[in-house]
Amino acid sequence: AQSVTQLGSHVSVSEGALVLLRCNYSSSVPPYLFWYVQYPNQGLQLLLKYTSAATLVKGINGFEAEFKKSETSFHLTKPSAHMSDAAEYFCAVSDRIGNTGKLIFGQGTTLQVKP
Amino acid sequence: GAGVSQSPSNKVTEKGKDVELRCDPISGHTALYWYRQSLGQGLEFLIYFQGNSAPDKSGLPSDRFSAERTGGSVSTLTIQRTQQEDSAVYLCASSPDRGDQPQHFGDGTRLSIL
Repeated sequence: AQSVTQLGSHVSVSEGALVLLRCNYSSSVPPYLFWYVQYPNQGLQLLLKYTSAATLVKGINGFEAEFKKSETSFHLTKPSAHMSDAAEYFCAVSDRIGNTGKLIFGQGTTLQVKP
Repeated sequence: GAGVSQSPSNKVTEKGKDVELRCDPISGHTALYWYRQSLGQGLEFLIYFQGNSAPDKSGLPSDRFSAERTGGSVSTLTIQRTQQEDSAVYLCASSPDRGDQPQHFGDGTRLSIL
């Protein structure tokens, strides 16, 4: 069965500092991988996705993530944090073989950005 | 264009009552998903509709939960005889197809059971 682990339920950075949110997955076959962001009282918004192309994926708002098969990881980074980046971030996988698109989510990481 | 629309945005009801939650997906999206977001369990898959195929109900937590999708568009999630543990935010998402297509989420229905 597939699973997703996000290391760190809360991450705090200073404005302008590097953002690193960690995600590891467990799957017998590399799945499709996604990062979503959720602002208070809103639904989830896609930041970026990995399907089968380049392992370094660029997303919206300056975020990017690198798929590393050997480490079963898909960590999210941003070189310089903005106050507006404060939100909850979810890593998710879906089964490439079954191809239903059902998402399995990590527990989420709340990003705090300090002025 | 219009995104995924969910109604009501908030619902407060008494334990034991039935509730219906509505989702209007993005026009043309054939895949529709329901998820539940709660403090204790995080984000969980509930049910998935794809075109005219039989829905994948593997995530429904009990037989009190059911969902339908009429005409391949609007979906309704029904919870019968609500319990306090049903309190959560219910999120609907749609996508053009399945698999690697990103899902577009509504803002959710916040359900509170008194």
